[in-house]
Amino acid sequence: DAGVTQSPTHLIKTRGQQVTLRCSPKSGHDTVSWYQQALGQGPQFIFQYYEEEERQRGNFPDRFSGHQFPNYSSELNVNALLLGDSALYLCASSNQAGGYTEAFFGQGTRLTVV
Amino acid sequence: GDSVTQMEGPVTLSEEACLTINCTYTATGYPSLFWYVQYPGEGLQLLLKATKADDKGSNKGFEATYRKETTSFHLEKGSVQVSDSAVYFCALYSSGGYQKVTFGTGTKLQVIP
Repeated sequence: DAGVTQSPTHLIKTRGQQVTLRCSPKSGHDTVSWYQQALGQGPQFIFQYYEEEERQRGNFPDRFSGHQFPNYSSELNVNALLLGDSALYLCASSNQAGGYTEAFFGQGTRLTVV
Repeated sequence: GDSVTQMEGPVTLSEEACLTINCTYTATGYPSLFWYVQYPGEGLQLLLKATKADDKGSNKGFEATYRKETTSFHLEKGSVQVSDSAVYFCALYSSGGYQKVTFGTGTKLQVIP
C-alpha cells in the first residue's frame, strides 16, 4: 500500500499565477482533506471532499478551490497566488465508513511563491 | 470553535532525560486526541492517539492520557534519544459528522548526545 501520495513534492510559482496540487488517497479511503502548514506553524484545515463534493471548509478565501474525482483522488487549486501562500500543503485521507478513526497524511507539497 | 494549545519550544534535552510536552484543548462534544510527529522535510506521522476520556495512548516509549477534567493530553517519555528530535503536534479530531483535525502550533524537540 503506497499510502497517501502527493505531487509534486516541490514547486516554485510567481505571484499572481495559479497552481494545482494533486493527492491520491490511501487505498480504501473515500475522504480527502487539505491542510496548509506555514513555516513554524501547525497545519490549518482548508477543506474536505467526500463523494466529489466539498462538505466542510476552513477559513480560507475563494482563491482556494478543489476537486475530487470518482477514484477519490483530489486536486487543490490556488488562484492569484500571494507571497503568503508559500507553505507546505498536506493532504490527508480517511474512510468515512471506517468511522474516521485516523487520518493518514501525505508527505506534502512545498509551494514557494516568489 | 475547537482549539489546541501546546507549550512553545524549542525544548532542548540531553539524551536519556525525561520529556513532557503540555497540551490542552477546547472542543465541543467528545473529540479524539492525537499526537503527530514531523521529522525535518517530511510529512506528519501519527505517534499515538486516545479516543475517549481516561484512555492512554502509547507508542515507541511515548505516552499520553486523555484527561477530560483538565482538558489535557500531555505527551511524556521517560528517556529520550537523539532520534526523537523532531516537531511534535498535538491535535484533536472533531466529534461531529465530519472529520476535521485541529492542530496545535507544534513543539520542536532537540535531543543532544
